[in-house]
Amino acid sequence: KAGVTQTPRYLIKTRGQQVTLSCSPISGHRSVSWYQQTPGQGLQFLFEYFSETQRNKGNFPGRFSGRQFSNSRSEMNVSTLELGDSALYLCASSLEGRGGQWDEQFFGPGTRLTVL
Amino acid sequence: GESVGLHLPTLSVQEGDNSIINCAYSNSASDYFIWYKQESGKGPQFIIDIRSNMDKRQGQRVTVLLNKTVKHLSLQIAATQPGDSAVYFCAENKDGGSQGNLIFGKGTKLSVKP
Repeated sequence: KAGVTQTPRYLIKTRGQQVTLSCSPISGHRSVSWYQQTPGQGLQFLFEYFSETQRNKGNFPGRFSGRQFSNSRSEMNVSTLELGDSALYLCASSLEGRGGQWDEQFFGPGTRLTVL
Repeated sequence: GESVGLHLPTLSVQEGDNSIINCAYSNSASDYFIWYKQESGKGPQFIIDIRSNMDKRQGQRVTVLLNKTVKHLSLQIAATQPGDSAVYFCAENKDGGSQGNLIFGKGTKLSVKP
């Protein structure tokens, strides 16, 4: 079974631009989450989608948004890029996500975004 | 704010020795605690998890201990191998119904000397 895939793997943008990152979860997984990883702040939760609905959101400005499609693939968008948005953006998928039982999250390799 | 933190940023061990990586958490309401391993250039990889109603859980060469009294989590790796060299993160999940809302610690870099 293929793992979580993220595209592109590397991206260079300039301040003020916007960017869209894509994530394809493991087949059958319905929950997709996004995280930002930086040396200073570590891994921080951005948002989670389940059945095309945002189920949870971290403490990030509105410039960060996402969506999930009917096939569970997800995209995240960052508008008006700032230098501080340079980070590794990780996507993770899990099987179900309901009923109070935590399911293992499988992470993709990430998209390395550099903002110049 | 509520967060999961780590006592040591780096840990160096000899191949074959046991490794212990520690983590302190502050949210008593967290339901699950998870350890992840991240190798250079890769996303975090699940190692083991433990639910808050347990004290200990064992996997293959790994053991996770949870001490709720002092809000402490540890990962023990038996017979550490060079392939274990990576950054290890602890994470907590406050809401079992929401898979993605993990709060991660800063990470401990484990280096295994041959």
